[in-house]
Amino acid sequence: TQLLEQSPQFLSIQEGENLTVYCNSSSVFSSLQWYRQEPGEGPVLLVTVVTGGEVKKLKRLTFQFGDARKDSSLHITAAQPGDTGLYLCARRDGNNRKLIWGLGTSLAVNP
Amino acid sequence: DAGITQSPRHKVTETGTPVTLRCHQTENHRYMYWYRQDPGHGLRLIHYSYGVKDTDKGEVSDGYSVSRSKTEDFLLTLESATSSQTSVYFCAIKTVSTDTQYFGPGTRLTVL
Repeated sequence: TQLLEQSPQFLSIQEGENLTVYCNSSSVFSSLQWYRQEPGEGPVLLVTVVTGGEVKKLKRLTFQFGDARKDSSLHITAAQPGDTGLYLCARRDGNNRKLIWGLGTSLAVNP
Repeated sequence: DAGITQSPRHKVTETGTPVTLRCHQTENHRYMYWYRQDPGHGLRLIHYSYGVKDTDKGEVSDGYSVSRSKTEDFLLTLESATSSQTSVYFCAIKTVSTDTQYFGPGTRLTVL
């Protein structure tokens, strides 16, 4: 069962464009993590959002946690080729022993 | 990178042969995980461990077994490899303080 839905699945844009990717769930979650996975490597944590309505910025990346804590978005301003990768969202499972993962958004930023 | 290594990094084997993948960590983390990653399926949890000799199944555990006899090593075994187990396998640890998973570099396994 896929409990986290990410959209779009694929995104190909030109350098300098802005983009937003989404992570949605039908249930409330206590926190959400965003990871980026570059080709040939494992995922790396970008940010954890905890509070409904929270906004966190990481250079050109802006992460938002929905007020109802059922959705989150990642906005990239002026995308660069180095932003290319798979963006994954993940939430804790009920007993906090493992993560539930979305399928990811595969982003390609073309020079 | 939380001191995580995986071995081997690449392996080609034949259907029906046993395969063992090793994950080694140097920082005494309690939680360790084995995932496989395939196009269209994302990251799928195979097994995880929450302490020495304490393991549990993930969502795709059939055909796989694990062992953790000491904190630093988490072994994944394919008793009789099948072509459907061709994949990239990632090991990860979780830091309890920040609830973050750190991943190893991955093992690319091809079963012919």
